[in-house]
Amino acid sequence: AQSVTQLDSQVPVFEEAPVELRCNYSSSVSVYLFWYVQYPNQGLQLLLKYLSGSTLVKGINGFEAEFNKSQTSFHLRKPSVHISDTAEYFCAVSRVGSQGNLIFGKGTKLSVKP
Amino acid sequence: EAGVVQSPRYKIIEKKQPVAFWCNPISGHNTLYWYRQNLGQGPELLIRYENEEAVDDSQLPKDRFSAERLKGVDSTLKIQPAELGDSAVYLCASTLGGDMNTEAFFGQGTRLTVV
Repeated sequence: AQSVTQLDSQVPVFEEAPVELRCNYSSSVSVYLFWYVQYPNQGLQLLLKYLSGSTLVKGINGFEAEFNKSQTSFHLRKPSVHISDTAEYFCAVSRVGSQGNLIFGKGTKLSVKP
Repeated sequence: EAGVVQSPRYKIIEKKQPVAFWCNPISGHNTLYWYRQNLGQGPELLIRYENEEAVDDSQLPKDRFSAERLKGVDSTLKIQPAELGDSAVYLCASTLGGDMNTEAFFGQGTRLTVV
């Protein structure tokens, strides 16, 4: 079975500061990795995904994540956040060959303050 | 192009009553998912359809939950009877194919409150 741990439930940060949202996963088989964002009263939107190849993945809105197989991590980073980045962020995994069944972490609420 | 459409957005019902949620996926997407998101948690898969076939319903509480996707397009999720613990946001998602190489698109969800 697979599991996802998001180490921080809430992350407050000032505007234009860098941010890192941490995600660790557990799996005995190969997985795909994802970050989704959920704005208030909205559905989930894909930020980025790692399927294979380069371990540094760039996504929308200036976010990037790095897959570290030895540490089973997939941390999300942004060098300079905006007020509009305030949202909840979910890390998710899908077992390769599982035909799309996503397993989500509990989420991290990012609050960007002016 | 319209995204995944869900209705209603909000529903408040008394316990033991039935409730139904509707989802219209993106046109041409043959894979449809229903997820449940409890407060403070990530979404959890309830059921996955490939066209009209439910290919993974292992997490669906079948004593009270049912789902259908009769023509392989829109889908309905039903709870009968509802319990207090069913209060959650029910999310529908769709993908072009079953492989997660394709992006999953989520609807805005239906927030259910059981009182």
